[in-house]
Amino acid sequence: NAGVTQTPKFQVLKTGQSMTLQCAQDMNHEYMSWYRQDPGMGLRLIHYSVGAGITDQGEVPNGYNVSRSTTEDFPLRLLSAAPSQTSVYFCASSRGGFANTGELFFGEGSRLTVL
Amino acid sequence: DAKTTQPPSMDCAEGRAANLPCNHSTISGNEYVYWYRQIHSQGPQYIIHGLKNNETNEMASLIITEDRKSSTLILPHATLRDTAVYYCIVRVAGPLGGGYQKVTFGIGTKLQVIP
Repeated sequence: NAGVTQTPKFQVLKTGQSMTLQCAQDMNHEYMSWYRQDPGMGLRLIHYSVGAGITDQGEVPNGYNVSRSTTEDFPLRLLSAAPSQTSVYFCASSRGGFANTGELFFGEGSRLTVL
Repeated sequence: DAKTTQPPSMDCAEGRAANLPCNHSTISGNEYVYWYRQIHSQGPQYIIHGLKNNETNEMASLIITEDRKSSTLILPHATLRDTAVYYCIVRVAGPLGGGYQKVTFGIGTKLQVIP
């Protein structure tokens, strides 16, 4: 049972480049989300999804796009990378949709550097 | 969801109990207290949660005051592997819950277990 899998674990981009951070879970969880973590700050919610075809913005959505075509996958797209997007990104999932009742399961993180 | 207040850092001697406090004075009657921890730069890991009764599992105990305005996470015999950042959050859970999309992960308490 792999849980929540994030790829890549490390990535270096140049300003203006685009890329996709992948997130997959094998627990049939309806709820999935993306957070970013910066030094000295907590986890900030970027986007979330309560089920296939349903996404919404979190606290810091600008510069990021998401889609949810399957229950398993929730990719995070950086449209035009900026140095301010240098961060560690965590994907998380939980059973249930809007009314998810369980704990969050986190991936191991993707460390992104934008030069 | 109610906000929480935690001390930024704490030390604990190895083998002793680690008591991590959390204030949540504006907690609502249907909000649960959850604890997570983040070891080094890994993804956060769920520890325990509770509503008003004290809870215990294989990892820790959770003590919630009678007025529910504060709680304490207890690691009964801290080891070096318990060195981590501990997050206390509150959220509505259950069938009418609002999910994690309204939850804020603050900066948590950095627990250092000392040999």
